[in-house]
Amino acid sequence: GENVEQHPSTLSVQEGDSAVIKCTYSDSASNYFPWYKQELGKRPQLIIDIRSNVGEKKDQRIAVTLNKTAKHFSLHITETQPEDSAVYFCAATVFSGGYNKLIFGAGTRLAVHP
Amino acid sequence: GAVVSQHPSWVICKSGTSVKIECRSLDFQATTMFWYRQFPKQSLMLMATSNEGSKATYEQGVEKDKFLINHASLTLSTLTVTSAHPEDSSFYICRSAGDPDTQYFGPGTRLTVL
Repeated sequence: GENVEQHPSTLSVQEGDSAVIKCTYSDSASNYFPWYKQELGKRPQLIIDIRSNVGEKKDQRIAVTLNKTAKHFSLHITETQPEDSAVYFCAATVFSGGYNKLIFGAGTRLAVHP
Repeated sequence: GAVVSQHPSWVICKSGTSVKIECRSLDFQATTMFWYRQFPKQSLMLMATSNEGSKATYEQGVEKDKFLINHASLTLSTLTVTSAHPEDSSFYICRSAGDPDTQYFGPGTRLTVL
């Protein structure tokens, strides 16, 4: 089945710096790749997503890139702010058992220091 | 946007009791419901998938007799943790889906089994 690997597990940056989180997936049929931000005790919040027919997508300080050949995608956060501190999860869809399921990476704990 | 509610938001129970968690889609019809479990500092792990009016399909390693899922209507899915034990303590989150990219997480239920 689909396997999604995420690195790094923790990331510490200074306010204003950029942060990059990388994920790889195993199922070449995966076609949708969302990124979530989760704060302690809360549900994951979708922050950006990308489909397999697009190589890059940007939304203000957040961007995602996708390399289908290499089966990896990355989240880029520029000009980080303390409120960006949270756990970030990548995910990939896999069509299994008649459903489009979301399989999550292990998560990256981002700390932005003032 | 669409709203998914989950009830209760937290529950504490004694070992051996059963706990029912409800997930409701408030303003759209959720043909499919995914149930996830998240242990502290870990990722979201898909437990099972259900379609309205049909039996749930469970991921490998998830006991279907322990985690009973009922998706009786297009707006309500329930997860019952039967004979709960301390190792079942976790954050349970539902995700409703109408199509591959329409997906909304519930706010989650924190279960603590004493």
